[in-house]
Amino acid sequence: DGGITQSPKYLFRKEGQNVTLSCEQNLNHDAMYWYRQDPGQGLRLIYYSQIVNDFQKGDIAEGYSVSREKKESFPLTVTSAQKNPTAFYLCASSGTGGVPRHFGDGTRLSIL
Amino acid sequence: EDQVTQSPEALRLQEGESSSLNCSYTVSGLRGLFWYRQDPGKGPEFLFTLYSAGEEKEKERLKATLTKKESFLHITAPKPEDSATYLCAVQARAYGQNFVFGPGTRLSVLP
Repeated sequence: DGGITQSPKYLFRKEGQNVTLSCEQNLNHDAMYWYRQDPGQGLRLIYYSQIVNDFQKGDIAEGYSVSREKKESFPLTVTSAQKNPTAFYLCASSGTGGVPRHFGDGTRLSIL
Repeated sequence: EDQVTQSPEALRLQEGESSSLNCSYTVSGLRGLFWYRQDPGKGPEFLFTLYSAGEEKEKERLKATLTKKESFLHITAPKPEDSATYLCAVQARAYGQNFVFGPGTRLSVLP
């Protein structure tokens, strides 16, 4: 079955460390998204990409970076500049129409 | 400022006790309103898209409706397996690929 795979499921970051969250899809979707979910808040868009080698910042891009070298993959790096990285990170994809219909099962990032 | 609110924050129902969840929005030029179900520790699962006031969509025990300022997710005779957090999101014309998500309603259905 097609879907989105996020890894790892849990991740711990030390002070000053960059960490990378993986997102892979086999749905042949052009658009991919990264969201951050905090308790009591709606999902907030970090970055999105509509095509390989192109991506745009969302509402809360500061302290994060992405790449889109392959259609299937959209990794997110949480840099040391992100001072409050503890959250649940969700990757999504969409085909034509642009509605993020498919989500991965998330990565929960915590600070050590 | 465009925003989406959901009420109640949490809802506990007995099995078979029908109810409704509310999603209110203030956006300029609605392109679509979307409902998702999210189980604990999982990603959201897409349920419905609504595009215009008066539109309704149904799936099993769930029915979503849309007015000019809000959407309702009606749950008829819920079962314990309907327990989840229900999220709504809106896409406004100004946002393009961006979507504004509400904080969700956490539904518990007791046997």
